Amino acid sequence: EPEVTQTPSHQVTQMGQEVILRCVPISNHLYFYWYRQILGQKVEFLVSFYNNEISEKSEIFDDQFSVERPDGSNFTLKIRSTKLEDSAMYFCASSELRVEVVYEQYFGPGTRLTVT
Amino acid sequence: AQKVTQAQTEISVVEKEDVTLDCVYETRDTTYYLFWYKQPPSGELVFLIRRNSFDEQNEISGRYSWNFQKSTSSFNFTITASQVVDSAVYFCALVNRDDKIIFGKGTRLHILP
Repeated sequence: EPEVTQTPSHQVTQMGQEVILRCVPISNHLYFYWYRQILGQKVEFLVSFYNNEISEKSEIFDDQFSVERPDGSNFTLKIRSTKLEDSAMYFCASSELRVEVVYEQYFGPGTRLTVT
Repeated sequence: AQKVTQAQTEISVVEKEDVTLDCVYETRDTTYYLFWYKQPPSGELVFLIRRNSFDEQNEISGRYSWNFQKSTSSFNFTITASQVVDSAVYFCALVNRDDKIIFGKGTRLHILP
């Protein structure tokens, strides 16, 4: 069964450093998402991406964040200058092209980001 | 405003008991979708069910069942004959046409042997 994959599973970085979290969505999916879950809290929407541009973003997704689909398979989340409060689990998700209905979003296993 | 409320923060039951996880949602939209996800200790999010706002039929899948009541804006989840492997955090979620998932805060379920 196809699945969303994410690398690395765990990333430790120092405050102020740039990080890139990588995701490989399911191959025939066209909508891509990033979500964040601070430890012990709920999962929060960050951004959605379709047709090579951001379609929605939350207030969390400020100028420190950017997303990119650098090739036909990867979908990346970059944090330019990490802060301690960026420590969280980051989930990538993808879904099929949405026509009239919302399709299920398939989630990757997550990348745990620890900022020290 | 869109909101999902899971009032039960943590529940503990003994194995083989039935348990119901509550979910109440708010949305102005007439077309929306409701989901339940399971997050086991390993951390991944496991899709359990999707229900659209026009389909109020209850659903049963093995030991799992869901009760969607539009009149009370609730989408409750029942596990029958619970097992230790059901121990996890369960999230209820709402999606409308803007396609971003709004999650509740989750209910941590402990199934005691």
